[in-house]
Amino acid sequence: AQSVTQLGSHVSVSEGALVLLRCNYSSSVPPYLFWYVQYPNQGLQLLLKYTTGATLVKGINGFEAEFKKSETSFHLTKPSAHMSDAAEYFCAVIVDTGRRALTFGSGTRLQVQP
Amino acid sequence: EAGVAQSPRYKIIEKRQSVAFWCNPISGHATLYWYQQILGQGPKLLIQFQNNGVVDDSQLPKDRFSAERLKGVDSTLKIQPAKLEDSAVYLCASSPRTGGRLNTEAFFGQGTRLTVV
Repeated sequence: AQSVTQLGSHVSVSEGALVLLRCNYSSSVPPYLFWYVQYPNQGLQLLLKYTTGATLVKGINGFEAEFKKSETSFHLTKPSAHMSDAAEYFCAVIVDTGRRALTFGSGTRLQVQP
Repeated sequence: EAGVAQSPRYKIIEKRQSVAFWCNPISGHATLYWYQQILGQGPKLLIQFQNNGVVDDSQLPKDRFSAERLKGVDSTLKIQPAKLEDSAVYLCASSPRTGGRLNTEAFFGQGTRLTVV
């Protein structure tokens, strides 16, 4: 069985501070890993994904994430938060079964304080 | 490229009534998903289609929920009768195809927010 755990349902940072959103997964096979962002009353937008190759993945809007197999983690970071980063962030996993359906974590709401 | 279109955006119904949601995926995308997102939770897969065939409907409450994808393009999700706990955002997503390491990204519509009172 596959699952995704996001530590911290709410994270608050100051504008310009480091953003760190935590995600751990459990999977019996090498997973595909994703981070999606959801703005209020919007659908989900892909930030970045890891499928194979380089374990440090760069995404849109200055975000990046590192796949650490030994820690079963895929934490999302951004060096300097911007007010526009305030949103809900979801970590998701696909196990290579051919069906490709995403399993999502419960989400982390990021607040950015001026 | 047009995105995934969903309608309506909002719907309020009374419990025991029926409701239907519509989704038009990105042109050429073979795979279509319906997710249910309850407030404060991550999206949960309800059903996955590959063209007009069902790949996975293991989490679809089949006593009240039904979905179809006629001709492998548009899809409709129906709830009959609705319960209070069905209040959620219903998200439709599509992806180019299953299989292969590329094309793993799912593109999401804006969702339909259902309130059951």
